[in-house]
Amino acid sequence: TQLLEQSPQFLSIQEGENLTVYCNSSSVFSSLQWYRQEPGEGPVLLVTVVTGGEVKKLKRLTFQFGDARKDSSLHITAAQPGDTGLYLCAVQTGANNLFFGTGTRLTVIP
Amino acid sequence: NAGVTQTPKFRILKIGQSMTLQCAQDMNHNYMYWYRQDPGMGLKLIYYSVGAGITDKGEVPNGYNVSRSTTEDFPLRLELAAPSQTSVYFCASSRGDRYGYTFGSGTRLTVV
Repeated sequence: TQLLEQSPQFLSIQEGENLTVYCNSSSVFSSLQWYRQEPGEGPVLLVTVVTGGEVKKLKRLTFQFGDARKDSSLHITAAQPGDTGLYLCAVQTGANNLFFGTGTRLTVIP
Repeated sequence: NAGVTQTPKFRILKIGQSMTLQCAQDMNHNYMYWYRQDPGMGLKLIYYSVGAGITDKGEVPNGYNVSRSTTEDFPLRLELAAPSQTSVYFCASSRGDRYGYTFGSGTRLTVV
């Protein structure tokens, strides 16, 4: 069983649609990070959430940390082709180890 | 702003050959990391360093070595390359344990 389960694994939508991707675990975390990775590049940090129930917005992206700090969601409003990429959630597991989920690969079709 | 620079971008090695993947950062970050990314498997931590002269193993260190003689540089050495080391390697740096990571653009390594 993976420490972090991301769903869906793949998502293909039309430009302008809304979507939500999920990052779930049975463990409690002090914080959780979301990254976006484009083809041929390294992951880029989008946001860090630290408080249970916290909601953070980054333009059309809304991130929520679950009340129990075991899960998180990322909602994208009016998706654009530039949102295409691999979305990764990550948590700190002990000192100096950022553990990554396997990601949701999003394709936004123009 | 260079951030984290990795070289080379691509490399093909024959089984048994050795090579060093270079990583440099210009943000004066103490923490540096090496990850490998295999298709569908996420990123796995190979080695990390919390400062010059200090390194430690991550989740998948076998077949690799690192050194950290300066704050800026954190090279990853592959000795006796094996096909199982075919992967994309990412170097990252951070201000500290609870801060976000800045990643390089990766080195795609194929061992044949």
